[in-house]
Amino acid sequence: AQSVTQPDIHITVSEGASLELRCNYSYGATPYLFWYVQSPGQGLQLLLKYFSGDTLVQGIKGFEAEFKRSQSSFNLRKPSVHWSDAAEYFCAVVRMDSSYKLIFGSGTRLLVRP
Amino acid sequence: DAGVTQSPTHLIKTRGQQVTLRCSPKSGHDTVSWYQQALGQGPQFIFQYYEEEERQRGNFPDRFSGHQFPNYSSELNVNALLLGDSALYLCASSFRKQGWGTDTQYFGPGTRLTVL
Repeated sequence: AQSVTQPDIHITVSEGASLELRCNYSYGATPYLFWYVQSPGQGLQLLLKYFSGDTLVQGIKGFEAEFKRSQSSFNLRKPSVHWSDAAEYFCAVVRMDSSYKLIFGSGTRLLVRP
Repeated sequence: DAGVTQSPTHLIKTRGQQVTLRCSPKSGHDTVSWYQQALGQGPQFIFQYYEEEERQRGNFPDRFSGHQFPNYSSELNVNALLLGDSALYLCASSFRKQGWGTDTQYFGPGTRLTVL
């Protein structure tokens, strides 16, 4: 069965510092990959997605992610974190067949120090 | 452009009761998926509706049922509520007719269900 692992439950960074959130997936072929962000009490907002092509994907709010097939990873990065980036971040995959359901990781909560 | 909307925002029920949650998809979208997000966890797929039929289902019991209307809006029904059904219920819409590769799901704000 496919799965998504986000190994870091919490991450704390200082405002202005760089950020990397880790995501690993388990699947026999290349899935479609997504990063969503959820602010407290809110729904999920799509940050970026990867389907094919360039393995470095640019998203909204200055985020980017890199797909590495050899490591089955899709890590999210931001060069300079802002206090408003504090939220929960979810990595998700969809299989490239008739399955349309998103499978989510357990999330990483980002805290930003002033 | 209205995004995905859900109602109600919050709901409190007691064990054994039944509940109906509602979702209106983003304009132009024809597919609705429902997810359950327990506290501190990632969302879990419940089921997906397209062309008024349930197309896929996750590992949820038959107490969870749904419906999609001709205008693409959807309802999630949960019967015989259990304490463990307390969660944030998220609706997501997408445009399946575009085909694979562009079927990105956009989420609503969710309905917070508390079962006492």
